Amino acid sequence: DADVTQTPRNRITKTGKRIMLECSQTKGHDRMYWYRQDPGLGLRLIYYSFDVKDINKGEISDGYSVSRQAQAKFSLSLESAIPNQTALYFCATSQGARTDTQYFGPGTRLTVL
Amino acid sequence: QQPVQSPQAVILREGEDAVINCSSSKALYSVHWYRQKHGEAPIFLMILLKGGEQKGHDKISASFNEKKQQSSLYLTASQLSYSGTYFCGTLNAGNNRKLIWGLGTSLAVNP
Repeated sequence: DADVTQTPRNRITKTGKRIMLECSQTKGHDRMYWYRQDPGLGLRLIYYSFDVKDINKGEISDGYSVSRQAQAKFSLSLESAIPNQTALYFCATSQGARTDTQYFGPGTRLTVL
Repeated sequence: QQPVQSPQAVILREGEDAVINCSSSKALYSVHWYRQKHGEAPIFLMILLKGGEQKGHDKISASFNEKKQQSSLYLTASQLSYSGTYFCGTLNAGNNRKLIWGLGTSLAVNP
């Protein structure tokens, strides 16, 4: 079984709809991240959480919100989706400490019409 | 603060070598290298910690020059499977909270 899972894997929705993307991990890591990826723009950080009570905005948090329900679960919400939020979204986890290597989920491809 | 990767893209024939560079304007604590196939998740390749460590992964190796604040990824005798986008992520010496990612280098290996 995959260590980091994301649901759904693909989603097509309409402008104005509320969308939730979910991320679960079995790696036992404290740190979790949400990124979006657009062609040519690399990985842009939306939100990150270093533990259940520590949630921080990333570089592009406007239009997004998150919830850390447990150590293993981190959800990303788009309250009112707009077409320029069409992108590939990745969840990642890391252990922290000295190396802090990040491990990515398989991604969610979101299309907002 | 975002590290700069060069080149942006490279095309190789199978068996050729390539070097991808990652430079930062900040003092670095570590550099992480990842490879991503189109539409898939980035996969961790290796980490370089301050101290000038050089690491290897099959025929892929990397170096880290603290003084120059840069890392280089070396792909030797490239294989078709090396194709993808390579990202470096840096942890700054003064703030170890999270990785800062470069924009990536696209590598295509042709037969």
